Amino acid sequence: TQLLEQSPQFLSIQEGENLTVYCNSSSVFSSLQWYRQEPGEGPVLLVTVVTGGEVKKLKRLTFQFGDARKDSSLHITAAQTGDTGLYLCAGAPRGSTLGRLYFGRGTQLTVWP
Amino acid sequence: GAGVSQSPSNKVTEKGKDVELRCDPISGHTALYWYRQSLGQGLEFLIYFQGNSAPDKSGLPSDRFSAERTGGSVSTLTIQRTQQEDSAVYLCASSFPVAGGPSFSYNEQFFGPGTRLTVL
Repeated sequence: TQLLEQSPQFLSIQEGENLTVYCNSSSVFSSLQWYRQEPGEGPVLLVTVVTGGEVKKLKRLTFQFGDARKDSSLHITAAQTGDTGLYLCAGAPRGSTLGRLYFGRGTQLTVWP
Repeated sequence: GAGVSQSPSNKVTEKGKDVELRCDPISGHTALYWYRQSLGQGLEFLIYFQGNSAPDKSGLPSDRFSAERTGGSVSTLTIQRTQQEDSAVYLCASSFPVAGGPSFSYNEQFFGPGTRLTVL
């Protein structure tokens, strides 16, 4: 059983379209992180959301942390081919010992020109 | 500054042989993780070291897998009697508690480039 469920698993869109990726859990998290991984490389941190209801913007990317701190979303406006990659959400459940980070299975995004 | 480094970048071995994968974390990072990633898949957690605490080995798939972290820095992942299903990219990540929050509450991870293991 995955602690963090991501959807959709695959997303294939044309350049210029908008998209949203979801990360859901039944557990409460002290924070959630989003990473992007490009082929042949390790994942790279995009953002950390900490406060329930928080919204963070990174250029065309908007990240939201749910009010109950159980879910998060990533919205990309006017997608570009450079946005192609595997998007992963991750977090440590509140109260967990040692703070081990749990990852979702990821959303593979392909943006076509 | 220097990021997380892993060696070798590629390893091809024969079924039944032992392999050792190395990870050099970012200096000062107290947490170190090993993950496995099969082609087109997400990250499979293997093991987690945090400071001097006992490691969380709950993700190791079998007793052929082991890892150690010497002096709180460099880590080695060892796979004994390799099998073809062990073929994957092995990723290492390190992290350090972010100031301003409870200890270990963020654990923002910095990943190495990975070691691609191919078992023939």
